[in-house]
Amino acid sequence: KQEVTQIPAALSVPEGENLVLNCSFTDSAIYNLQWFRQDPGKGLTSLLLIQSSQREQTSGRLNASLDKSSGRSTLYIAASQPGDSATYLCLTVQGAQKLVFGQGTRLTINP
Amino acid sequence: EAGVAQSPRYKIIEKRQSVAFWCNPISGHATLYWYQQILGQGPKLLIQFQNNGVVDDSQLPKDRFSAERLKGVDSTLKIQPAKLEDSAVYLCASRTNRGTGNTIYFGEGSWLTVV
Repeated sequence: KQEVTQIPAALSVPEGENLVLNCSFTDSAIYNLQWFRQDPGKGLTSLLLIQSSQREQTSGRLNASLDKSSGRSTLYIAASQPGDSATYLCLTVQGAQKLVFGQGTRLTINP
Repeated sequence: EAGVAQSPRYKIIEKRQSVAFWCNPISGHATLYWYQQILGQGPKLLIQFQNNGVVDDSQLPKDRFSAERLKGVDSTLKIQPAKLEDSAVYLCASRTNRGTGNTIYFGEGSWLTVV
């Protein structure tokens, strides 16, 4: 049974810093991995999707990497801004479209 | 392209009352999911539909929760009777079935408070 863990549960950094959010998973047989952002009182917004055959994906200041062999994915945020404050969730997709979420990392960027 | 639509956005009910949530997925998306997200936790899958058939409902508390997707398009999730621990946001998501690499899209969620 897939287990997805995100550490730390909460992170607070000053504006302008580069930061890394971590996602680890126990079953490497995944089709893809997706990173989401969730703002308070809102649904989930998709940020990046990495196919199992890919090593990384980039969108603007965001870069997501995937290492299936070690069961890890990281989300790198460059030059953080207060607007990046949100909860970030990773999601693994497996056979039969089985989806498993991590618990999320609550990120606060301090001006 | 319209996103995943959910209603109502917010609902407050007393325990033992019933409530129903509605979801309209993105047009053409065969797979539809209902998730329960309790404050401070990651979303937990309640039920997954493929067209109008149930693929996975192993974590759905069937004594009080029910869901249907009769025509393979929109879906309803019902809770009857509600308990205090059902207070959560109920998220609906959809994705297409073409290939294995497609993005999953979520609605804004239906926020339930049981008092």
